[in-house]
Amino acid sequence: EVQLEESGGGLVQSGGSLRLSCAASTFTFTDYAMSWVRLAPGRGLEWVSAITGTGYTTFYADSVKGRFTISRDNSKNTLYLQMNSLRVDDTAVYYCAKARRVVIPFDSWGQGTLVTVSS
Amino acid sequence: QSALTQPASVSGSPGQSITISCTGTSSDVGGYNYVSWYQQHPGKAPKLMIYDVTNRPSGVSDRFSGSKSGNTASLTISGLLTEDEADYYCGSYTSSGTVFFGGGTKLTVL
Repeated sequence: EVQLEESGGGLVQSGGSLRLSCAASTFTFTDYAMSWVRLAPGRGLEWVSAITGTGYTTFYADSVKGRFTISRDNSKNTLYLQMNSLRVDDTAVYYCAKARRVVIPFDSWGQGTLVTVSS
Repeated sequence: QSALTQPASVSGSPGQSITISCTGTSSDVGGYNYVSWYQQHPGKAPKLMIYDVTNRPSGVSDRFSGSKSGNTASLTISGLLTEDEADYYCGSYTSSGTVFFGGGTKLTVL
């Protein structure tokens, strides 16, 4: 069974930064693209960013472009999301998700890590 | 406002069937057969229920089925069980190489 475990969430002030990590196991990490998806309070799922298996190509939602950076370390089976210039509306549970293709569908998800941005 | 439009809520009785719609545009739902559906119980991670419009992952009940007509995709759940009560989200690949989700539909099994 695929294992994905997020970490790095917490409370941060508006304008601050956080780095999320997602440790993957029980599958060949380099073979799969990965994404970050968030669920904000009272709102639906929002796709944030994706990265190919090699790490050479990345994709971003317009809402985070220029502020967030996705990356991966295939030697450590770990996915990252560097979040800068955080805003109150970035408050959400952030999930890492394994993709069957480059971007969608997402066939395995972590349990999520909560990011709270205060004003 | 979400990129894909879903009804906020649907309800049904045990044993009945319900259908949840997901409406987009020709740049997402209508342009690709890359629509997927996710079930999310409160406090839990989303679970893939349908991918590529009609396909079920291994282990997902055949009570769940998907379809698409034009710019609207649909998820049908037949023989409703109380355990089906959850939030359901559609997701689609887009012409920009990104992903849009719907706003989610809360299914209540009465």
